[in-house]
Amino acid sequence: GAVVSQHPSWVICKSGTSVKIECRSLDFQATTMFWYRQFPKQSLMLMATSNEGSKATYEQGVEKDKFLINHASLTLSTLTVTSAHPEDSSFYICSARGPRRSTEAFFGQGTRLTVV
Amino acid sequence: RKEVEQDPGPFNVPEGATVAFNCTYSNSASQSFFWYRQDCRKEPKLLMSVYSSGNEDGRFTAQLNRASQYISLLIRDSKLSDSATYLCVVNPGAGSYQLTFGKGTKLSVIP
Repeated sequence: GAVVSQHPSWVICKSGTSVKIECRSLDFQATTMFWYRQFPKQSLMLMATSNEGSKATYEQGVEKDKFLINHASLTLSTLTVTSAHPEDSSFYICSARGPRRSTEAFFGQGTRLTVV
Repeated sequence: RKEVEQDPGPFNVPEGATVAFNCTYSNSASQSFFWYRQDCRKEPKLLMSVYSSGNEDGRFTAQLNRASQYISLLIRDSKLSDSATYLCVVNPGAGSYQLTFGKGTKLSVIP
């Protein structure tokens, strides 16, 4: 299957700093990528839909100025958590729709963010 | 009503047991349905798609009832390696590629 690589897999940062998470489709072009957040024992919650070459579409309640998304190429989307606070600590996962207009989603390995 | 609801679990079953998970979805226009498996602190991985006619993959059988907006997953002859959280996932269709996830049902297979 298609491969999506997410980096870093975990990060610890100080409150007030910014953290960038990268999501790459390694063997296919992903015009659309999705960013999810998962708190312990909760379901994955869609944060935003990232479209190559255009602005991301954010879900209700997600601050676009806090969670900056850039999808500058067909194989890379980045999520930057700006001015991180302890309540932003979570598991962030990206996914991309598979090649050839597949409805299957391929997920990155996830990034566990801890803000101290 | 939540968009995708699953059995809360956890399910603790002995090796070799048969276990069934249920899921209901609220959007009657939903078009694609999946079961994903998520291991602790890992990303979800596709277990199987769910088709209206029902489908089987080895020990796993998935069924869809569109009229009842109900999806099921049956695991036969449970293995220790089946221990994970099983996520019911729905694609709303209408040109959308977004997925809506249930909270998941945790399965622990006990020796």
